[in-house]
Amino acid sequence: EAQVTQNPRYLITVTGKKLTVTCSQNMNHEYMSWYRQDPGLGLRQIYYSMNVEATDKGDVPEGYKVSRKEKRNFPLILESPSPNQTSLYFCASSLLGAGVSSYNEQFFGPGTRLTVL
Amino acid sequence: DQQVKQNSPSLSVQEGRISILNCDYTNSMFDYFLWYKKYPAEGPTFLISISSIKDKNEDGRFTVFLNKSAKHLSLHIVPSQPGDSAVYFCAAANYGGSQGNLIFGKGTKLSVKP
Repeated sequence: EAQVTQNPRYLITVTGKKLTVTCSQNMNHEYMSWYRQDPGLGLRQIYYSMNVEATDKGDVPEGYKVSRKEKRNFPLILESPSPNQTSLYFCASSLLGAGVSSYNEQFFGPGTRLTVL
Repeated sequence: DQQVKQNSPSLSVQEGRISILNCDYTNSMFDYFLWYKKYPAEGPTFLISISSIKDKNEDGRFTVFLNKSAKHLSLHIVPSQPGDSAVYFCAAANYGGSQGNLIFGKGTKLSVKP
């Protein structure tokens, strides 16, 4: 089954304790992205990756790191989590086309609910 | 500054009637628009999209209309069903430029009452 998986699904941690949220896709997609969803703010992009070893900042990258060493995996790293990073996180992936005529939809994972105390 | 705006946080519709969800955008470079649907405890799922070269795209009960001059798009669901109750996100992309990146609105929660 084609899917994007995230682990863990739920995490409660304390301020300053490093954590990693994993994301993996089995569709051989080049593009992967992390979003956070907050009440009243919708989905905001944190980081994205166009391919292996190619990552770039989204709209809200502060406090986060990512890596793309393999095509299928795109972990989100919080080196020193703070309470304002309490949120619902989504990983997404898609193929990359060649412009408007070859749009490819983004597939989203089930989400990771993170609470930082 | 918010580039994609969904000004109605919620919408309630009777089963069988039409649901109209609206979305406005400010960036004229956007060339692709999408609607995603999200149920609680699940990730968003793609619903329907439209290229900027079109003004209408239809898929079953779902139709998206694009008015480029007004920088406005809408999603029509006819007839609405209770299973359509979800949060709907409008998203836009500058696909000719920033390949893959989507800008999302804040979402509209649709409730379809039996």
